[in-house]
Parts: sequence; C-alpha cells; structure tokens
Amino acid sequence: DAKTTQPTSMDCAEGRAANLPCNHSTISGNEYVYWYRQIHSQGPQYIIHGLKNNETNEMASLIITEDRKSSTLILPHATLRDTAVYYCIVRVGTDKLIFGTGTRLQVFP
Amino acid sequence: NAGVMQNPRHLVRRRGQEARLRCSPMKGHSHVYWYRQLPEEGLKFMVYLQKENIIDESGMPKERFSAEFPKEGPSILRIQQVVRGDSAAYFCASSSNFRDRTYEQYFGPGTRLTVT
Repeated sequence: DAKTTQPTSMDCAEGRAANLPCNHSTISGNEYVYWYRQIHSQGPQYIIHGLKNNETNEMASLIITEDRKSSTLILPHATLRDTAVYYCIVRVGTDKLIFGTGTRLQVFP
Repeated sequence: NAGVMQNPRHLVRRRGQEARLRCSPMKGHSHVYWYRQLPEEGLKFMVYLQKENIIDESGMPKERFSAEFPKEGPSILRIQQVVRGDSAAYFCASSSNFRDRTYEQYFGPGTRLTVT
C-alpha cells in the first residue's frame, strides 16, 4: 500500500502557482520523497525528489517540512500542459515505486 | 540521449496467444522495472531486474508471466496464453546510480496490449 496521502483533485488557474500537498507521516529516516506525474495515458514522468532539504529544478520546487511528515510540490507558473495526475511516493534506494491514487490537477485558462 | 524505448507501442493478441513486450533502457542504465496499468487504475509494480538477474518479482502473477534482462539486448516481458484480463498498458522504467544514490526511474511510453 502507498505510504502517502494526497487530495484526490485540485484546480489551478493558468499562470498561477500550483501547490500540491502530500502527507507521509510514517516516512523512515532513509526514505526519499519522489514526485512523478502522468499526463493522460503517457508513461509517468519524473519531476523531483528530496530527503530533508528543499529542492528546486527546472520543472518544480519541493518543500519538505522539518519533521519530514509532509511535503508540497510547487509548480511556479502552471500551464495547460501541466494538467495531469501527480503522484507523491516515498522510497529508498532501488526500491520499486508504489503508486497511490495521486492528485488530479486540472489547470484552467 | 534517447530515453527509454518500448516496442511495440500497441499489440493485439487473441486469447491463448503469446505476447512479447520489449524495453530498451536509457544508455548507461542497468536497472529495469516493469509496471502494469489496468484501465482506469493506477500503476502496479511487476518486476525489477538487473542484467541477467531478477531482483524482485513480488508483483508478477504466478503463472504465464516471465521477464528477463539479458547481458545483451532489451528486457523482455513475456505473457503466455493471454486472457482478456491481461489487456492493459505495460510500462518499463530504467534507472542508474545517479548523484546521491537515489536511483530515480525514467519511464518509457508504454505498450498497450489488447486481448481479443
């Protein structure tokens, strides 16, 4: 079973920041937080991952709380092409990815 | 730098036939994972392989399914005597040891199997 809890769906206006929350209250000290997204029926796309510190790359930012029990993925300027299902996954090393139900993000004009 | 490649992209088989799905990992990647996505459902892990070794097959059905990742060539997911319930999208992902040893996985476009 997935070790994370995410809202089922969210809406965001185009051009605004999309903030997607994730709870992972049982995360272990050596588990990383990963974010993936699946656009329509395409293969999942890796977005970002982190352990303790906040991370930023060309796609998004990841904010992890100090106690590591929750995190937020931030898409700073959402576009229509960001409409997708977003998955928050905790994992260590080469472990398999366990996908939950994710958050369905709808970006509207 | 080519991504993960899967072929065929679409495969139609009659009940009882065999299906072979191929996955070529990204260059330099030595870890391959297979996932299945049934219609309107999430992705489910099937098997994790390294070159010539099956590391974790906890998600593989006990019968009719097998996987390999030979020393040379692509990884193969083989389904014998397919049934309608095997109709799904099959995704392959690959990873390697990047910085900080986190092994992020990169997915291919998937093979859509339809059993008639």
